[in-house]
Amino acid sequence: GIQVEQSPPDLILQEGANSTLRCNFSDSVNNLQWFHQNPWGQLINLFYIPSGTKQNGRLSATTVATERYSLLYISSSQTTDSGVYFCAVDSGGSNYKLTFGKGTLLTVNP
Amino acid sequence: GAGVSQSPRYKVAKRGQDVALRCDPISGHVSLFWYQQALGQGPEFLTYFQNEAQLDKSGLPSDRFFAERPEGSVSTLKIQRTQQEDSAVYLCASSQGPGVHTIYFGEGSWLTVV
Repeated sequence: GIQVEQSPPDLILQEGANSTLRCNFSDSVNNLQWFHQNPWGQLINLFYIPSGTKQNGRLSATTVATERYSLLYISSSQTTDSGVYFCAVDSGGSNYKLTFGKGTLLTVNP
Repeated sequence: GAGVSQSPRYKVAKRGQDVALRCDPISGHVSLFWYQQALGQGPEFLTYFQNEAQLDKSGLPSDRFFAERPEGSVSTLKIQRTQQEDSAVYLCASSQGPGVHTIYFGEGSWLTVV
């Protein structure tokens, strides 16, 4: 099946710093999403981005489908950005089954 | 409700006990998904419902796992004769349409088998 690799596995920032999280995937995809899992365990959908660039406030994402990677940018980080960021892609062309990476654990210190 | 609701939030089961985990999706959502998340890992797909039909159960780890959604809304994930390796967070999600374009997750049911 498709492989999803995220880097770095852990990241510690001071409040106000910027960061870039990367997601590599092993096959072509029709669906790529970024999620944030807060310290209470809830997964929040940040972006649906199979290709191109999107921005939402301090967050933006870019997917280069032909090169099989996606980047999540966090600018002016805040302590509330802490948590685990997951990249997920469709599995085997299905429109309902997501394969998740292992995530990037982000800690933003005040 | 406003979001996907799961219960119980926390469950401690003795090995060999049966457990039932409930998911209330967002009202009117056609698709419902169950995922299993082990500590330090990303969620892994278990099963998918479109209305009351279970279209894919390929991710269920063994025949001890069973899921249903009899009326196309509330879903129950049942685990029979629990084992220690079943300890995980079980996440339910729903989406309005047939796919995962806009998917909403619940807070999960944290299962510990002792």
